[in-house]
Order: sequence, then C-alpha cells, then structure tokens
Amino acid sequence: GNSVTQMEGPVTLSEEAFLTINCTYTATGYPSLFWYVQYPGEGLQLLLKATKADDKGSNKGFEATYRKETTSFHLEKGSVQVSDSAVYFCALGDNFNKFYFGSGTKLNVKP
Amino acid sequence: NAGVMQNPRHLVRRRGQEARLRCSPMKGHSHVYWYRQLPEEGLKFMVYLQKENIIDESGMPKERFSAEFPKEGPSILRIQQVVRGDSAAYFCASSPPGGNTIYFGEGSWLTVV
Repeated sequence: GNSVTQMEGPVTLSEEAFLTINCTYTATGYPSLFWYVQYPGEGLQLLLKATKADDKGSNKGFEATYRKETTSFHLEKGSVQVSDSAVYFCALGDNFNKFYFGSGTKLNVKP
Repeated sequence: NAGVMQNPRHLVRRRGQEARLRCSPMKGHSHVYWYRQLPEEGLKFMVYLQKENIIDESGMPKERFSAEFPKEGPSILRIQQVVRGDSAAYFCASSPPGGNTIYFGEGSWLTVV
C-alpha cells in the first residue's frame, strides 16, 4: 500500500543554518509528492509539489526533488529563518485522488 | 478565489451533545476530504467525498460520526453524542475534478467539556 515516512522531530536549528527534513515513500503507480507547512493554530498550506520523477518543487527558498530510485522527497532550505518555525508534512497523492501524510516534523529555528 | 472555508473555527460542546462542522470547498472543486488532528499529532484521514457520494470512509469511526456532501451546500461532518476524546482540530480539504493537489481550510477546533 501507499505510505509516507518522515523524520521525527523536533528539529532545532539556529537562524541561517541549512535544513534537511527527510521523507521517503512507498507507492504503487505514479504518485505526486508534496510538502505542506502548518503554523500554530492554522491549517496546512501547500509549500511545494512535484508530479513526476526528477521534478524539483521549490517555493520560498525551500526545495525538494522527486527521487524515484531512492523513493525520497527530502525538503531542503539553504538558510532558515525564525519565521520558518512550523510543522512540515510530507504527503503523497495517488492516481485515485487519495492522499497520504507523514506524521509531521516540527522545526524550531532560534535567533 | 476564496479558499476552503470552514466553520465554525472554534466549537465547544458538552459531552453527549452533537457537533456539526461545515466545509465549503474552493470554487470549482468537487472533492472534499476530512482529516482529524489530535494535539501534537499528525493528520488522520477520515473520509473522502464527492458530490452526493462517499468515496472512502475507511478512517471514520464506526459509530457517532457521519459525513455528507450534498448536491447543494457545504459538506458536513457530524459527530453525535460527543465525548472528551473527540476534542481535536478537524480539517477539511478540497481538490478539483481530476486534480492531484488538495488545499486545506483553516480548521475547526472542537472542545468537548
């Protein structure tokens, strides 16, 4: 079946540090992959997505590359800011309009 | 284009009462999803609906919970005889026909006292 596994948090970084949040998936077919971000007290916002192998999604300095050979979609940012503190969810969308979410990774960025 | 609209944003119910949560999808979207999030936890899928049809309710508790998405009007998640364990944030999301991306509302926070 389809599933998503992402690294457990919390992840604590200093401002301007490099960020990686690992995400791997198991899927049949040709899924789309997503990262969503959730700020306290709010809903999930789409951060970026990739719809096929080797696609790179990017937004607001965040990037993730759809790696079929390693079944991964790791989230990266070169220099994090305090305002990036949030919970990040990796997700998979299958060919039947069903979506599967990881458990979320909390990121704390300290000034 | 308005996003996914959920109401109420916050709802307090006493044990045994009913809770009704409403979700209006984005314009042009015909697929609606409901998720539950317990404090400090991830998202748990509950149900996936299209207009007048329940496509997948594998995440719905067998009792007290129901969902609908009528031909006209918002999708409704109904929880009967609420218990303290139902206290959570309930998120609705929608996607267009054939679309491969879902967009979330701001959530409805249910507190059972």
